[in-house]
Amino acid sequence: RKEVEQDPGPFNVPEGATVAFNCTYSNSASQSFFWYRQDCRKEPKLLMSVYSSGNEDGRFTAQLNRASQYISLLIRDSKLSDSATYLCAVIGGYQKVTFGTGTKLQVIP
Amino acid sequence: EAGVTQFPSHSVIEKGQTVTLRCDPISGHDNLYWYRRVMGKEIKFLLHFVKESKQDESGMPNNRFLAERTGGTYSTLKVQPAELEDSGVYFCASSHTGPSKNIQYFGAGTRLSVL
Repeated sequence: RKEVEQDPGPFNVPEGATVAFNCTYSNSASQSFFWYRQDCRKEPKLLMSVYSSGNEDGRFTAQLNRASQYISLLIRDSKLSDSATYLCAVIGGYQKVTFGTGTKLQVIP
Repeated sequence: EAGVTQFPSHSVIEKGQTVTLRCDPISGHDNLYWYRRVMGKEIKFLLHFVKESKQDESGMPNNRFLAERTGGTYSTLKVQPAELEDSGVYFCASSHTGPSKNIQYFGAGTRLSVL
């Protein structure tokens, strides 16, 4: 079983739609959680941190469920520019990031 | 503020040759990390420096890989001799110490092709 699992997609959604991604992690001792965005042939860029209390940044909402060991990302009112791969990232000890394989999102006009 | 920079952006070498990748972290970041993504797989951790010291090198594949960070500034990752399975994108990341230590900023990566 992988340490961090994501549905690779692709998720093809129309502009304006709401889309949600989930990610599960296996190490219950994991400390920090993030969503990164990666455009084709580019570096991962931090999108947002994820907390148990949930956090929102504009159209993006992230949530952590420690009991079930999953994190989620909700994107409302999808834009064409949201098309990218979204990487779930989990940090255990010593600041080592474990990434999921990423979920590909394609927003269609 | 300059971001994490990596050089070269692309490298094509033959099996058995040596390649050295360079990473310049964000100025003032003591933490520096190397990651690798091989085709079709997730990005995987290689190692972590705190200043010039190796904090965690548990992800290094084998002894053909040597990472250094002399003086605690830029880092190099040398692959010698390169094998076909070393092909992939090598990312470097850096972070502060303290409360924001887990927020890692990534460079654009070096795409390595071993033929």
